[in-house]
Amino acid sequence: SQTIHQWPATLVQPVGSPLSLECTVEGTSNPNLYWYRQAAGRGLQLLFYSVGIGQISSEVPQNLSASRPQDRQFILSSKKLLLSDSGFYLCAWSTGTTRGDTQYFGPGTRLTVL
Amino acid sequence: KNEVEQSPQNLTAQEGEFITINCSYSVGISALHWLQQHPGGGIVSLFMLSSGKKKHGRLIATINIQEKHSSLHITASHPRDSAVYICAVRGNTDKLIFGTGTRLQVFP
Repeated sequence: SQTIHQWPATLVQPVGSPLSLECTVEGTSNPNLYWYRQAAGRGLQLLFYSVGIGQISSEVPQNLSASRPQDRQFILSSKKLLLSDSGFYLCAWSTGTTRGDTQYFGPGTRLTVL
Repeated sequence: KNEVEQSPQNLTAQEGEFITINCSYSVGISALHWLQQHPGGGIVSLFMLSSGKKKHGRLIATINIQEKHSSLHITASHPRDSAVYICAVRGNTDKLIFGTGTRLQVFP
């Protein structure tokens, strides 16, 4: 069966510090991978998605970046965090074989920038 | 105006009550998803619909493509159903567009 892991589960970082969140998927090959952010009191916002190794599409211009060094690994990074980067970050995967495919979400990382 | 609107934003119920959460959207879609977000933040996919109705246990989801509207029903609600329920639609760009969610609290 497929599983998706995210770490860390919680993170408190000072403004201006770097960030690295990791997401890995097991039990499937060549998944579509997604990074979402959920700010307090707001809906989910798609940040990045990837259909393959090294293929990243950015949805929202910001100080975050994403990389996919391996087929089932998706990393969200920042060189300098802003206060507005605080939120709940979710990674998701899908098979992407048909339109309307289900996305499966990871447990999330709660990031607080102070 | 958001492309995906949910109502109500907050909902409280007594255990055993029948619950309805509504979702309206303004874009053309290929599918609609209902998601459940637990208090800890984890998200579970409940349904994916492109037409008609689906049922899973005490949960029922319906969609009316012509009216651009979907409903999620919970029969015989239970405190463990307390969560945020999120409607998301897949538009023509294949990206998911999310509603802001409905926070449900079921009291014993």
